[in-house]
Amino acid sequence: AQKVTQAQTEISVVEKEDVTLDCVYETRDTTYYLFWYKQPPSGELVFLIRRNSFDEQNEISGRYSWNFQKSTSSFNFTITASQVVDSAVYFCALSDAISGGDNKLIFGAGTRLAVHP
Amino acid sequence: DAGVIQSPRHEVTEMGQEVTLRCKPISGHDYLFWYRQTMMRGLELLIYFNNNVPIDDSGMPEDRFSAKMPNASFSTLKIQPSEPRDSAVYFCASSLTSGISRSKNIQYFGAGTRLSVL
Repeated sequence: AQKVTQAQTEISVVEKEDVTLDCVYETRDTTYYLFWYKQPPSGELVFLIRRNSFDEQNEISGRYSWNFQKSTSSFNFTITASQVVDSAVYFCALSDAISGGDNKLIFGAGTRLAVHP
Repeated sequence: DAGVIQSPRHEVTEMGQEVTLRCKPISGHDYLFWYRQTMMRGLELLIYFNNNVPIDDSGMPEDRFSAKMPNASFSTLKIQPSEPRDSAVYFCASSLTSGISRSKNIQYFGAGTRLSVL
């Protein structure tokens, strides 16, 4: 069965600190997608990144970076020099669409990040 | 592109009333999903459609819930009769699974409808 675990329920940091959000997944598929979404206080769900299971290269986008390690089934998300605007709930998700699945997303429970000035 | 559009943004109703939530997916997308978000259960997939055809409704909590997609640009989620425990945020999302677009297989979400059943 597929499962996504975000063990950190809430994280609180002071502005300019670096913070890493953990995501561990389970799947029997050899090919799959992993995603991160952001849900700011306004409530919408914003797509951040998608990663294919066959591409373990880490990705950086501005202050955001993602570390994908197939060996540990982890897809962690790091925010460097956090800002108050980063305060949100972050969701990790898994999809087996590559292997012919129906594009369903399995979401983790989310990590609430609070960045204080 | 306007993105996924949901209406209304907020709905307050009394127990027993019928509630209809609406969704317009991104033009050209072939999959449409309905989710419910609550504090207790997080994000739950209720039902999804492929080319307007319901594929899996196993997440629909009860017979009081129904969803339709009469055409590629419109879907509804109906609750009849509504109950206080249906209070939640309901999200619609759409995705494109064909072609070679960079956004293939990415679900894009609407802003959600916050439903309060009194």
